[in-house]
Amino acid sequence: GAVVSQHPSRVICKSGTSVKIECRSLDFQATTMFWYRQFPKQSLMLMATSNEGSKATYEQGVEKDKFLINHASLTLSTLTVTSAHPEDSSFYICSARDFPVSNQPQHFGDGTRLSIL
Amino acid sequence: AQKITQTQPGMFVQEKEAVTLDCTYDTSDQSYGLFWYKQPSSGEMIFLIYQGSYDEQNATEGRYSLNFQKARKSANLVISASQLGDSAMYFCAMREGGAGKSTFGDGTTLTVKP
Repeated sequence: GAVVSQHPSRVICKSGTSVKIECRSLDFQATTMFWYRQFPKQSLMLMATSNEGSKATYEQGVEKDKFLINHASLTLSTLTVTSAHPEDSSFYICSARDFPVSNQPQHFGDGTRLSIL
Repeated sequence: AQKITQTQPGMFVQEKEAVTLDCTYDTSDQSYGLFWYKQPSSGEMIFLIYQGSYDEQNATEGRYSLNFQKARKSANLVISASQLGDSAMYFCAMREGGAGKSTFGDGTTLTVKP
């Protein structure tokens, strides 16, 4: 079945560091990918929709300059948390669909646990 | 108003028994899809079952079935013969029309007791 690979799975770094998270669709082309943020025992909050070859669409309240999204190819989207601070610590998870049919589920990466010290 | 409501923050079930996880939704679209996902403590999201708004029959996938009541806008997940490995957080999600993005409920943490 369709697989989405997300890397790295865990990051621990100092405050002020920028962190890049990659999301790859391994056996299908994804013109659209989604980035979510999840706090412990809470729901997935959509941060942005990543569109191949164009600018990402950010949800209300999400800082575009803080969370940079690049979707340069049909199989890769990246999320860069710029100048990360402790409040950015969270679980970040990406997803993609392999074709625009409504009954297809989103395929999720395994997530990235980001801890900013 | 919340688009997806899961009213049970936590549920307990005895091993081998059935359990129902509630989900109600709110939409004015005629075409939408409803999904259930399982998230174990390791964090990955596992797709369980799908129900389309035009599907007349309730969806079933192995031990999972979806009790779809369109007039009541509910899409409850039924897990039969619970197993210890079913302990996880469960999310109900809805995709409206042709939109790519899905809206997720707050989740229900299911604990299966031996």
